Amino acid sequence: DAGVIQSPRHEVTEMGQEVTLRCKPISGHNSLFWYRQTMMRGLELLIYFNNNVPIDDSGMPEDRFSAKMPNASFSTLKIQPSEPRDSAVYFCASRYSGSGFNEQFFGPGTRLTVL
Amino acid sequence: GQQVMQIPQYQHVQEGEDFTTYCNSSTTLSNIQWYKQRPGGHPVFLIQLVKSGEVKKQKRLTFQFGEAKKNSSLHITATQTTDVGTYFCAGYTGGGNKLTFGTGTQLKVEL
Repeated sequence: DAGVIQSPRHEVTEMGQEVTLRCKPISGHNSLFWYRQTMMRGLELLIYFNNNVPIDDSGMPEDRFSAKMPNASFSTLKIQPSEPRDSAVYFCASRYSGSGFNEQFFGPGTRLTVL
Repeated sequence: GQQVMQIPQYQHVQEGEDFTTYCNSSTTLSNIQWYKQRPGGHPVFLIQLVKSGEVKKQKRLTFQFGEAKKNSSLHITATQTTDVGTYFCAGYTGGGNKLTFGTGTQLKVEL
């Protein structure tokens, strides 16, 4: 298995532009998580999906952020419009929910820089 | 909301010295996980503890889960340069699907 796949790996954009981050979870996993990591705030959960349905989006910073999961093998996190304070590493993670073992598998992350 | 704090925030050790990071939750956890993130990398799962007072070992790493299931620790014996990275604890509450990560402890090992 290729693991969790994220694209792009690096993104540099200008303030005000739309940014779309993509994630392909591990096949067979039914839960997907989006995290943001910064030096100041650490690793924060933004939103998670269970069976493609958003369950908890309380970590989404504001309306500029939106996430979708149209099917079991793809999810997007969109920022529109982007701001410099959105600069961070964004991780996608997936896991299989339904057994007692709840390990999360993280993707390599997308490093976002908003100028 | 639930908060998970770790101390220390940073630790520099000489190779061969021991290292311990402590994890404290504001609420009782159903289980706790530990992850390691190498510089420039992503968090990678190390272990899960479920039972009150549980102790698990992985070679030079020893993990403990507190009796009250609100704290945990990771101890590394005789650190090596390969141990460099940030160690995170993360806990679930109740039967939820949401994993709350601790603040992390960054370990640097010098020769």
